[in-house]
Amino acid sequence: EPEVTQTPSHQVTQMGQEVILRCVPISNHLYFYWYRQILGQKVEFLVSFYNNEISEKSEIFDDQFSVERPDGSNFTLKIRSTKLEDSAMYFCASISDRTGGNSPLHFGNGTRLTVT
Amino acid sequence: DAKTTQPPSMDCAEGRAANLPCNHSTISGNEYVYWYRQIHSQGPQYIIHGLKNNETNEMASLIITEDRKSSTLILPHATLRDTAVYYCVYGQNFVFGPGTRLSVLP
Repeated sequence: EPEVTQTPSHQVTQMGQEVILRCVPISNHLYFYWYRQILGQKVEFLVSFYNNEISEKSEIFDDQFSVERPDGSNFTLKIRSTKLEDSAMYFCASISDRTGGNSPLHFGNGTRLTVT
Repeated sequence: DAKTTQPPSMDCAEGRAANLPCNHSTISGNEYVYWYRQIHSQGPQYIIHGLKNNETNEMASLIITEDRKSSTLILPHATLRDTAVYYCVYGQNFVFGPGTRLSVLP
């Protein structure tokens, strides 16, 4: 069964450094998402992306964050200058079509980001 | 943002049915309700979804009330591996609430 893949599984970075988290969504999917989960807390929506532009973003997704689909397969989340509070699991997800609402969102297994 | 209400935790004996409720009173008429679970810090795993009718698949059953303001996920014969946090979700951004931590006890 096709799946969403994320790399790396664990990333350690120093405060102030830039980090790029990578995702390969399921190949025929059209909508892409990033979520984060701080340890012990709920899964939080960050951003959705469709047709090479951001569809919606949450308050968490400030100017330090950006997303890109640099080619036909990858979807990336960049954090420009990491802070300690950016330490979290980051999940990528994709969906084939959300116009009818009858498609589930498929998640990757996440990247654990540790900012020291 | 879509808002759901679930009990924070539940216990279930192994082999028994686990019934997990969710209130989603602000769901609109054309929005599906989805159920996911998360084991440890893995990515949320899709379980089942529905609009109006009850649904069943190999993992679970979903009962949706006629007014669509609530639903119940049923795991018919819970196993230890079903211990997880269960989320009901709706809306195009799939906004997650705190979920229900289900503990299946031997």
